[in-house]
Amino acid sequence: ILNVEQSPQSLHVQEGDSTNFTCSFPSSNFYALHWYRWETAKSPEALFVMTLNGDEKKKGRISATLNTKEGYSYLYIKGSQPEDSATYLCAFIQGAQKLVFGQGTRLTINP
Amino acid sequence: EAQVTQNPRYLITVTGKKLTVTCSQNMNHEYMSWYRQDPGLGLRQIYYSMNVEVTDKGDVPEGYKVSRKEKRNFPLILESPSPNQTSLYFCASGTDAATNEKLFFGSGTQLSVL
Repeated sequence: ILNVEQSPQSLHVQEGDSTNFTCSFPSSNFYALHWYRWETAKSPEALFVMTLNGDEKKKGRISATLNTKEGYSYLYIKGSQPEDSATYLCAFIQGAQKLVFGQGTRLTINP
Repeated sequence: EAQVTQNPRYLITVTGKKLTVTCSQNMNHEYMSWYRQDPGLGLRQIYYSMNVEVTDKGDVPEGYKVSRKEKRNFPLILESPSPNQTSLYFCASGTDAATNEKLFFGSGTQLSVL
């Protein structure tokens, strides 16, 4: 079973502060990396799909970077708001079809 | 509206009583998959399907069956549920069997096996 690690497991951030967290994955035979945002009592929703080394994606205040050679991706949130509170999941695809999720980073924004 | 419809949302059953969780998507997606979510373990893949009549095991397939007779439907069957199958289940679908496009998730099924 592929090992996809997310750190930290949980994070408390003051409203207005910026934050980031990490997804680590095997660096061999990389195919794609997904980031999902999962709010309590809802379904996970896709943020980014990243396929190329050096990719940077941005959606509003959230951005992500990808380093396939060293096997990590960072997710950044600028100026955190209470609505950013959620669990952020990364999913790694090695080869085709085999999609493996990390255990998630649970983010809580304190007003 | 593009969506993945999963039913039921909540289910309480007893050990050994066969059950089916349905999943249907209206986006003509080739790829569909089932996951279970347990505390501290992330989403673990149970089964996936790349197209009609093509299914394959994920990481935790024991105790589950699936079928893909039509493109839109991918039911999850528990022939003889056991308490260790108590979990939150998600169905997901995607355009691409190679999953370099995002997945769309159903609303989840919280299953309790007594």
